[in-house]
Amino acid sequence: LAKTTQPISMDSYEGQEVNITCSHNNIATNDYITWYQQFPSQGPRFIIQGYKTKVTNEVASLFIPADRKSSTLSLPRVSLSDTAVYYCLVGHSGSARQLTFGSGTQLTVLP
Amino acid sequence: EAGVAQSPRYKIIEKRQSVAFWCNPISGHATLYWYQQILGQGPKLLIQFQNNGVVDDSQLPKDRFSAERLKGVDSTLKIQPAKLEDSAVYLCASSPLRDRGPREQFFGPGTRLTVL
Repeated sequence: LAKTTQPISMDSYEGQEVNITCSHNNIATNDYITWYQQFPSQGPRFIIQGYKTKVTNEVASLFIPADRKSSTLSLPRVSLSDTAVYYCLVGHSGSARQLTFGSGTQLTVLP
Repeated sequence: EAGVAQSPRYKIIEKRQSVAFWCNPISGHATLYWYQQILGQGPKLLIQFQNNGVVDDSQLPKDRFSAERLKGVDSTLKIQPAKLEDSAVYLCASSPLRDRGPREQFFGPGTRLTVL
């Protein structure tokens, strides 16, 4: 199974940019990288997905280097409401690996 | 667009009792997933359906857990008999069917099960 490694926790202050890096050394050629956000007592929520280089949407950016062995989720100007657990997953349609959640990164945004 | 619905939201039972959870996916989503999330851990896939067929149930404890998806829409997950270690949040998710590329999952709010 594809294994991902993320920091267990991170602290930040409101208004700062937060970068969470995920390591996935055995990513396969047709694997995509997906990030989810989870608040307490809620199911995970899709944030962003990418294959290579850079992807940006209204809430985040995803940076993927050429070797694709890692990826960085970037949250611009975080607020208190961004306090949550963030999960990195790798895989593709038809592969159970895309459904393997690690322990995630607990991001705490401080005032 | 309505999201994934789950019921009940909370359930407390004693060990060796039975319990069932219900999930209604987003309309038109062919794929449905059941996850178990133990406190402090990431969700663990229990079973994946595509329409009404099982795609992957390799991590489903089949001696006590069962799931069905009648008519390829709603799904139920049952535990019989429950053990203390089954205390967790049970999440249902759905996704549209795609032949290739990434697949985004939409999660319901979950059912929190406490086994005493």
